[in-house]
Amino acid sequence: KQEVTQIPAALSVPEGENLVLNCSFTDSAIYNLQWFRQDPGKGLTSLLLIQSSQREQTSGRLNASLDKSSGRSTLYIAASQPGDSATYLCAVPPQEGGKLIFGQGTELSVKP
Amino acid sequence: NAGVTQTPKFQVLKTGQSMTLQCAQDMNHNSMYWYRQDPGMGLRLIYYSASEGTTDKGEVPNGYNVSRLNKREFSLRLESAAPSQTSVYFCASSAYRGMNTEAFFGQGTRLTVV
Repeated sequence: KQEVTQIPAALSVPEGENLVLNCSFTDSAIYNLQWFRQDPGKGLTSLLLIQSSQREQTSGRLNASLDKSSGRSTLYIAASQPGDSATYLCAVPPQEGGKLIFGQGTELSVKP
Repeated sequence: NAGVTQTPKFQVLKTGQSMTLQCAQDMNHNSMYWYRQDPGMGLRLIYYSASEGTTDKGEVPNGYNVSRLNKREFSLRLESAAPSQTSVYFCASSAYRGMNTEAFFGQGTRLTVV
């Protein structure tokens, strides 16, 4: 059974700092891994989708990496801003059909 | 450019009342999902529909029913609401096969059962 873990559960950093969020999964037989952002009281916004054939995916100040063999993904945020404050979730679809298994999320706070 | 649309956004029910949460997507996705999100429990899958005409139970299906009305629409019904069903409900959709099964979520329905 696929399990997804995100550490740390919460993170507070000063503005401008580069940071890394971690995601680990137990079953490496995945098609892809997806990172989401959730603002308080809002829905989930898709940030990046990394396909299993890729090692990295970039969007603006965000860079996500995937290492299937070790069951790990990281989300790198460069030059963090207060507007980056949100909960970040990673998720994997273990089989065809795409139903996602979510980690518990990392709550990020970027202080001005 | 609507993506996934859920209605209603907020709802208060009395215990024992019934209601249907509506979800529609305009991305021609085959697969659709219903999740609930509770503090400390994360996102949990209630039901999903891999393709039009099929539905399957997720982690927490008890007390819910679903209908995949057509390719666009997937509804969630609470037949007799209970306080334990107070939660935020999210609908999502994605492609079914292949590596590009990027999922998109609606804005959620905040349900309170009193």
